[in-house]
Amino acid sequence: QLQLQESGPGLVKASETLSLICSVSGGSISSSSYYWDWIRQPPGKGLEWIGGVDYTERTHYNPSLKGRVTISGDLSKNQFSLTLTSVTAADTAVYWCARHRSRPYSGYDLGFDLWGPGTLVSVSS
Amino acid sequence: QSALTQPPSASGSPGQSVTISCTGTGNDIGTYKWVSWYQQRPGKAPKVLIYEVSERPSGVPDRFSGSKSGNTASLTVSGLQDEDEADYYCCSYAGSNNWVFGTGTKVTVL
Repeated sequence: QLQLQESGPGLVKASETLSLICSVSGGSISSSSYYWDWIRQPPGKGLEWIGGVDYTERTHYNPSLKGRVTISGDLSKNQFSLTLTSVTAADTAVYWCARHRSRPYSGYDLGFDLWGPGTLVSVSS
Repeated sequence: QSALTQPPSASGSPGQSVTISCTGTGNDIGTYKWVSWYQQRPGKAPKVLIYEVSERPSGVPDRFSGSKSGNTASLTVSGLQDEDEADYYCCSYAGSNNWVFGTGTKVTVL
């Protein structure tokens, strides 16, 4: 059974860089059927798709975060990571990594079908 | 890209049906069949209920159904049960490998 687990600092200072890792067990991130995505949710607010990476290490990002966000995959460690620069209080959120069974250009999108437990990252001033 | 618009809340008595709308634009829901719905209980990760507008993953009860018309997608929960009380989010493909979530709807079982 594939599982995802987020890890990283729970507190980041404003203007600094947020870095999280998603470790995948029970399966490989090298499958061509999936994207490996990050999603966040500020306290009391809705979900926001951040972006993702596929097995070729091709990335895609939410345009509203482009320029601050980098997502990369490490096939050798079976993990992928999120880096968000110049953080502010607005970046305080629960961050999830998720498997996204989707290939729009191949004609399918089965949604975000597996999620990690999530990790709360707070930005301090 | 702007979040898809959902009503903040919806409610129904046990056994009744509730329908949640999700309104987008011609750049997302109106163009693509890739709309999914998620149920989120407090403190938990979301769970996919519907994908590709109306398809259910295995294990999701057939009380949950989805549809789409124009720029609006809908999720209907039939035969409401106490366990259906949760937040629900829609999500749509928005082109160029981008996805956008809805604003979320809190469903209360009266």
